[in-house]
Amino acid sequence: GENVEQHPSTLSVQEGDSAVIKCTYSDSASNYFPWYKQELGKRPQLIIDIRSNVGEKKDQRIAVTLNKTAKHFSLHITETQPEDSAVYFCAARPGSARQLTFGSGTQLTVLP
Amino acid sequence: DGGITQSPKYLFRKEGQNVTLSCEQNLNHDAMYWYRQDPGQGLRLIYYSQIVNDFQKGDIAEGYSVSREKKESFPLTVTSAQKNPTAFYLCASSRTGPLTDTQYFGPGTRLTVL
Repeated sequence: GENVEQHPSTLSVQEGDSAVIKCTYSDSASNYFPWYKQELGKRPQLIIDIRSNVGEKKDQRIAVTLNKTAKHFSLHITETQPEDSAVYFCAARPGSARQLTFGSGTQLTVLP
Repeated sequence: DGGITQSPKYLFRKEGQNVTLSCEQNLNHDAMYWYRQDPGQGLRLIYYSQIVNDFQKGDIAEGYSVSREKKESFPLTVTSAQKNPTAFYLCASSRTGPLTDTQYFGPGTRLTVL
């Protein structure tokens, strides 16, 4: 089955700096890669996603890049703000399956 | 995601008891999922259902059971066979058509075994 590895597990940045979180996946048939943000005690919420036919996608301060050859994808957050502090999860969906395989999460802390 | 509700928010169980976690959605989604989240770990899939009266085991189904008698409801029972059930349980739902991959999560149930 699919295996998703996520790095780093913790990340601290100064407010205004950029943050990058990286994930690798094992199943070359995976074609959908969402990123979720989870604040403490709350539900995960989708912040951005990308499909395998696209190399990059942006939404304001957030961007995701996908390298299918290397089987990795990354989340980029620019101009970080304290409210960006949360746990971020990447996920991958193999082929025609409906279920997602999640990475282990990154605790992002934005220092004021 | 406001269309998915889970109850109760907190649940305490004595060892040897079965408990059932509720998940309801009014989004008219065909697919529903149950995940378990432990501290410092990602979400692990317990069971999922793509249509009423059908469901499949996920990666960690042992000690859990589900039913899908109605499109809106997907209850999860944590049985006494689950050796370490203390965790945060999340329910999610999604559509099943082309390009309908987004999973929307409920607020979660925190289960503690006393």
